[in-house]
Amino acid sequence: TAGITQAPTSQILAAGRSMTLRCTQDMRHNAMYWYRQDLGLGLRLIHYSNTAGTTGKGEVPDGYSVSRANTDDFPLTLASAVPSQTSVYFCASSEGTGGSDTQYFGPGTRLTVL
Amino acid sequence: GQNIDQPTEMTATEGAIVQINCTYQTSGFNGLFWYQQHAGEAPTFLSYNVLDGLEEKGRFSSFLSRSKGYSYLLLKELQMKDSASYLCAVRDDDYKLSFGAGTTVTVRA
Repeated sequence: TAGITQAPTSQILAAGRSMTLRCTQDMRHNAMYWYRQDLGLGLRLIHYSNTAGTTGKGEVPDGYSVSRANTDDFPLTLASAVPSQTSVYFCASSEGTGGSDTQYFGPGTRLTVL
Repeated sequence: GQNIDQPTEMTATEGAIVQINCTYQTSGFNGLFWYQQHAGEAPTFLSYNVLDGLEEKGRFSSFLSRSKGYSYLLLKELQMKDSASYLCAVRDDDYKLSFGAGTTVTVRA
C-alpha cells in the first residue's frame, strides 16, 4: 500500500520561478493538508481541504495556492518562489476531521529557493 | 493564536524512562496527538488523548489533563531506535492541528 506519495523528493528552485508540489493518497481519505516544517518552528499548516472540491487557508497561506479536483490529489503551487519558502513540505491526509481521526504524512519534499 | 510548548532536547540512557512534557493554550480543544519523527522522515502517529487520564500502548504512554492544559509522553525501556523528535499537537475548535516545535530525544548506550 502506497499511502501518501509526494513528488519531487527534493528541488532547488530559482527565486521568481513557479513550482507545483504533488501529493497523492490512495486511502480514499476525505481530508488533506499541506504543512511546512522549519527548524525550531515545528509544522505549520499552509492549506487544507476537508473534502474534494473545497479548500481552506491555514496558518501560513501567503504565496501558496492549492486545488482539490478529486479525492486523491492535492497539489500545492508556489506562483513566484521566494527564499523564505525554503523548507520541507509535508502533505498529510485523514479519513475525517473529528474524533480520533489521525493524520498520516507523506515522505516530504525538501525545497530550496535561491 | 495557539501556543504549544515542549522542551527542545532530552537525553537518556538505553533502558531508562523519559517523560516529555507538553503544555498548551489553544482556542478550544478537540484532542491531543503525539507523533514520532526520525531525522529526514515523515511524522508517524503515536497516541491520541481526548479525555483526562493515561493511555498506554506498549512501551509508550500518554497522559492528558485538560484543566491544566498539560500532557506528557512517557517512553519506557528506551531503545536506540527511539532516538527521534517527538511532536505534541492539539486539535482546536476548527479541527485543525497545531504542533509544538518538537522534542529531540537522544538515547545513549
